[in-house]
Amino acid sequence: NAGVTQTPKFQVLKTGQSMTLQCAQDMNHNSMYWYRQDPGMGLRLIYYSASEGTTDKGEVPNGYNVSRLNKREFSLRLESAAPSQTSVYFCASSEGPGRDFGSGTRLTVV
Amino acid sequence: QKEVEQDPGPLSVPEGAIVSLNCTYSNSAFQYFMWYRQYSRKGPELLMYTYSSGNKEDGRFTAQVDKSSKYISLFIRDSQPSDSATYLCASRDLFSGGYNKLIFGAGTRLAVHP
Repeated sequence: NAGVTQTPKFQVLKTGQSMTLQCAQDMNHNSMYWYRQDPGMGLRLIYYSASEGTTDKGEVPNGYNVSRLNKREFSLRLESAAPSQTSVYFCASSEGPGRDFGSGTRLTVV
Repeated sequence: QKEVEQDPGPLSVPEGAIVSLNCTYSNSAFQYFMWYRQYSRKGPELLMYTYSSGNKEDGRFTAQVDKSSKYISLFIRDSQPSDSATYLCASRDLFSGGYNKLIFGAGTRLAVHP
């Protein structure tokens, strides 16, 4: 049972480049989330999907887009990366009050 | 003011010590209170969660919620070097405008040295 799987684990981008972070869960959860984690800031919600076919903005959505491809998969896209988007990105899923997290993607934008 | 506040530490204790980790929250509607443990370069994992006030014990870990003072605590007895991690508290209310809104503290880094 893999839980929440994120790819890639590490990425370095140049300013202005685009990329998509992939996330898949095998727990049949309805809700999925994308967070970023920065020192001293904690986990901040970027986007979430309460169920297949729906997505909504979280606390810090600017510069990002998402796609809920099906019940299992939820991707995060950076269209034009900026140094301020250097962070660790976590995907999570849930069925109850808590969250199951992936192992993260460390993204550096130079 | 952040809805959930947590001292970032770091907190350094000797092996075997009792550790107390704390958070405060501002939203009196919060009903669920959780503690996550995050090892270095890993994702957070749910350690314990409580609903409303009171204590919950799981092995060496005890979670305590005092709603009158809006204070959340996690106690670790007989701490071990394997407990060295960042601990995040999180809270939410029952109804969050259509989605499962969970507010995280920034985390407290704990180091248990042999």
